[in-house]
Amino acid sequence: QSVLTQPPSVSGAPGQRVTISCTGSSSNIGAGYHVHWYQQLPGTAPKLLIYANSNRPSGVPDRFSGSKSATSASLAIAGLQAEDEADYYCQSYDSSLSGGIFGGGTKLTVL
Amino acid sequence: QVQLQESGPGLVKPSQTLSLTCTVSGGSISSGSYYWSWIRQPAGKGLEWIGRIYTSGSTNYNPSLKSRVTISVDTSKNQFSLKLTSVTAADTAVYYCARDACSGGSCYWGHYFDYWGQGTLVTVSS
Repeated sequence: QSVLTQPPSVSGAPGQRVTISCTGSSSNIGAGYHVHWYQQLPGTAPKLLIYANSNRPSGVPDRFSGSKSATSASLAIAGLQAEDEADYYCQSYDSSLSGGIFGGGTKLTVL
Repeated sequence: QVQLQESGPGLVKPSQTLSLTCTVSGGSISSGSYYWSWIRQPAGKGLEWIGRIYTSGSTNYNPSLKSRVTISVDTSKNQFSLKLTSVTAADTAVYYCARDACSGGSCYWGHYFDYWGQGTLVTVSS
C-alpha cells in the first residue's frame, strides 16, 4: 500500500492527451512538499521526467507537463506517441515518515 | 554527465547481509549539495526508497528498514554503499543507486532523484 495513490493503468490513442493523478495527504503533498515524476521504460531504470511539481529536466519534451494542487498532483502527456508506453511514478516527501515516498505506479498503454 | 553503477553479489542467503556498492563517475561525489540514495523495486512492483547519505556522513533511512540498513560513503573512491542485514525473500529486488537533489534549491521542499544507476538484481535464496 503506497502512501501516494496512482491509478494502476491509463490508456490513450496516438496523438491524444492523457493525465495521471497522484493523491497524497496532509503529511506529504498537502504539506507543500514538491512532487516529482519518473518514467520507467520496460527493463530500464526510472528516468526523471518532472521535478519540483512542474519543471522539466533538459531533454524532456514539452509534451510532458506537471501540476499540483492541495493534496494531489497530475502528470499530463500530450500528443501521445508509441514510445511513451511505460510505467510512471510520482514521488514526494512525507514528514511523518521523514523520507521519500513513491506512488504505486501507473502503466500507460498507447492503443 | 554523472553516471552511477551498482555492484555486488546477485545472490544472498536468507538471514545474511546484502552488500552493494555504487560507483559514481563523471563528477566528484563530494561536489555540489547532493545526497546519494538507494532505492529498490521488487519484480513487477513499485519503487521503495531505502535511504540516503550526504558526503559528510549524515544519513536518513526509511523507517520500515531503518533497523536493518546502513549506508556509508567513501569519498576517496567516489563510492557509497548499502548494507541490509537479516535478509529474507521479501528483500529480493532490483536495487538502484541514485543522486538525490534537494528540490527548489532547499531540502525543506523535499528531494528528487535526477541520475540513476542501471540497477542490479539481488535474489535472496538458499
